Amino acid sequence: NAGVTQTPKFQVLKTGQSMTLQCAQDMNHEYMSWYRQDPGMGLRLIHYSVGAGITDQGEVPNGYNVSRSTTEDFPLRLLSAAPSQTSVYFCASSYGTGAEQYFGPGTRLTVT
Amino acid sequence: ELKVEQNPLFLSMQEGKNYTIYCNYSTTSDRLYWYRQDPGKSLESLFVLLSNGAVKQEGRLMASLDTKARLSTLHITAAVHDLSATYFCAVDRHETSGSRLTFGEGTQLTVNP
Repeated sequence: NAGVTQTPKFQVLKTGQSMTLQCAQDMNHEYMSWYRQDPGMGLRLIHYSVGAGITDQGEVPNGYNVSRSTTEDFPLRLLSAAPSQTSVYFCASSYGTGAEQYFGPGTRLTVT
Repeated sequence: ELKVEQNPLFLSMQEGKNYTIYCNYSTTSDRLYWYRQDPGKSLESLFVLLSNGAVKQEGRLMASLDTKARLSTLHITAAVHDLSATYFCAVDRHETSGSRLTFGEGTQLTVNP
């Protein structure tokens, strides 16, 4: 199993540009989440999904969209990038409630 | 709003010593997770604690959960340099729709020879 994969590993955007961060898992996990990690602040939940077709907002959803058309994929879209979105983004998946979460390798995003 | 607080945030210790990292959280939960993160890397799951009184051990690390006190501890025994990393605790906020973790700020551990 590849586990949780994320692309790209690094990205630089200009303010106002849009892009999609990709996340995929091959473990048939129902639950998937997106977090961002900023220095000194731990990780914060952006959006999450409990299954294909079901998504909900987390703690810091503004400026981001998600969709879950398949169990395997959970892309995160930045609608109009802002410097405040400079961060490291992690995707995670888990089998169910109370289960261990597996994190992807992360995408380091810089918005200038 | 669920808040998760870790202390200390920075910990420098000598090899061979013992120490404890504390994780306090503000609302009822019986699902707590500990992760390790090395610089520039992703998060590695260490422990999943799912009930009051749960205790788990792996090597020199032992984690426990007291849901009544809303407190989890990560105890390090006879520290070695390889344990240097940042340790996060995280609490799951909902019983029915899981995987909505609230993280602490992390404890940056440095083990000196």
